[in-house]
Amino acid sequence: KQEVTQIPAALSVPEGENLVLNCSFTDSAIYNLQWFRQDPGKGLTSLLLIQSSQREQTSGRLNASLDKSSGRSTLYIAASQPGDSATYLCAVRPGNNDMRFGAGTRLTVKP
Amino acid sequence: KAGVTQTPRYLIKTRGQQVTLSCSPISGHRSVSWYQQTPGQGLQFLFEYFSETQRNKGNFPGRFSGRQFSNSRSEMNVSTLELGDSALYLCASSLGNVYNSPLHFGNGTRLTVT
Repeated sequence: KQEVTQIPAALSVPEGENLVLNCSFTDSAIYNLQWFRQDPGKGLTSLLLIQSSQREQTSGRLNASLDKSSGRSTLYIAASQPGDSATYLCAVRPGNNDMRFGAGTRLTVKP
Repeated sequence: KAGVTQTPRYLIKTRGQQVTLSCSPISGHRSVSWYQQTPGQGLQFLFEYFSETQRNKGNFPGRFSGRQFSNSRSEMNVSTLELGDSALYLCASSLGNVYNSPLHFGNGTRLTVT
């Protein structure tokens, strides 16, 4: 059974800092891994999707990497801003298509 | 392009009642999936529909059911509500390719069972 873990559960950083969020999964048989952000009381916003054959994806100040063999992904946020404050979730799409989500990392960027 | 629309936004129901939630996907998206989000269990997959057929189902009791119409709109039904069904129910749509189609979420329906 696929398990997805995100560490840390919460993170507080000063504005301008570069930071890394971690995601690990137990079964490497996945179609893709996605990173989302969720603002309070809202749905999830897709940030990046990495296909199983890819190693990384970039969008603006965000860079996500995938190492399937070790069951790890990282989301790198450069030059953090207060508007980046949100909960960040990773999700994997395993071979049986049953989407699995991590519990999320709650990020606070202080001005 | 309009995003994923979920209605209603909030619902309050009594134990034993049933409820139907609605989801309108992004135009052109053929896949709709449903999720339950609670503080204790996090985000859990309920089921996914693609072109009116259920493609996958999560580990939820049979009280939870869904369907998808020919225009890709989807409904989710929960019968015989229990207090533990109180949650944020999220719907997501995608083009449907399991390899490279990102999920686009609606803002959810907040269900409270009293």
